Order: sequence, then C-alpha cells, then structure tokens
Amino acid sequence: EIVMTQSPATLSVSPGERATLSCRASLSVSSNLAWYQQKPGQAPRLLIYGASTRATGIPARFSGSGSGTEFTLTISSLQSEDFAVYYCQQYNNWPPLTFGGGTKVEIK
Amino acid sequence: EVQLVESGGGLVQPGGSLRLSCAGSGFTFSDYWMSWVRQAPGKGLEWVANIMPDGSEKYYVDSVKGRFTISRDNAKNSLYLEMHILRAEDTAMYYCARDGRSWVYWGRGTLLTVSS
Repeated sequence: EIVMTQSPATLSVSPGERATLSCRASLSVSSNLAWYQQKPGQAPRLLIYGASTRATGIPARFSGSGSGTEFTLTISSLQSEDFAVYYCQQYNNWPPLTFGGGTKVEIK
Repeated sequence: EVQLVESGGGLVQPGGSLRLSCAGSGFTFSDYWMSWVRQAPGKGLEWVANIMPDGSEKYYVDSVKGRFTISRDNAKNSLYLEMHILRAEDTAMYYCARDGRSWVYWGRGTLLTVSS
C-alpha cells in the first residue's frame, strides 16, 4: 500500500498570501496524483489531477507540481473561500487508492 | 447535470448489516466506473470500493474485504454497497463518486453510525 503523507497538518495564512502544501508518497506514483478541497459539511471537490492539471472550473490561483514521490499544491493568493481542508490522493498503484491525512488551511 | 444521491444510512448495532444505495442521473451510468469513499467523523477520506462499468470487476480496501460488497444495476442507474458484520470503525459518511480512480462528481453522502 502506498502511504501518502501531507504537511503541514495545519497552515495559518492571511488572505492574499501564498499557501504551499506538500504531499509525499512512500513509493513513486509517477504523476498519478490528485488534490481535493473539502469544506465543512460538503463533499470533496477535485482541484488538480495528473499532478498539475486543473479540473474544469478551478481558478488559476491553484497550481500543482511534482512527480514521483514529492508533490506541491500552491494557492497563489488566498481568497476567503479557500480556507478549507486539502487532501492529496494517489491513483498509480491500487488497490487501494489512498489519500493523505489532509492539510487544514486556516485564517491567520 | 450530473447528480449522485446516496441513501440508506442510519444507526446500526455492531455486527449488523445495511445496504447503501446511490442513484445516478445526468450521465450514461453504464459507461462509468463507480466508487464508494468514506469519511469517519472529524477524520480524513478513505476509499472503500469501486466497480467496473459492467460490474465484472470489483476492488476493495482490505479493511472491508469479506464484509462489504459493491454492486450496480445499470438498468436502474444505481450503485449499492452491501455491508455486513459492521463495526464501530465503519461509522462514517459514505460518499458515492463517479469514476474509478479520481473523482470529479460526488454525492452529498449518507451517514452510517454503528453503535449499541
């Protein structure tokens, strides 16, 4: 099973600032990595797939990078609606499909 | 518009059984892999199972193998999760999602609580 590790667990950022979230895989997942955003009481929302491709309708301030075992989600200028929990997920070696533990982006 | 609507959650005693359903609309159901993903209260996301478009292949996370069965009825545009020998650790919101490996479309979820 590929273990996904996200850091930090919590990120405190002021609106308008840049946020950088990290995700590490225990084995290479190539570029088969997705990022999701989840707000309280809502289902997750796909932001990025293929490590760097934005899903339909996702604003350009969200960008993904990396391959192999190290990945980054960057939010270039945080808006109020971006405060949420973010999960990475690998779909290279499965079953099982596995998620990271999440990073909570909170208002500083 | 793609819609996924889960139902069937509730309170079940440990060792009990339950079947979850997911009704899909706004897309050709029989063309897509379908998945169940769960989230325990206050915890992260966990993939549970997925199923090929024709139902011929099914995959599960180890913790539910032998207890849960994923199935589908393409004529009814419906996905199911039959759950047996339920444990407290199965308590979660269960989401239905379209596709097999990563998911754009999700339902709103149905809550399963396993408790005596």
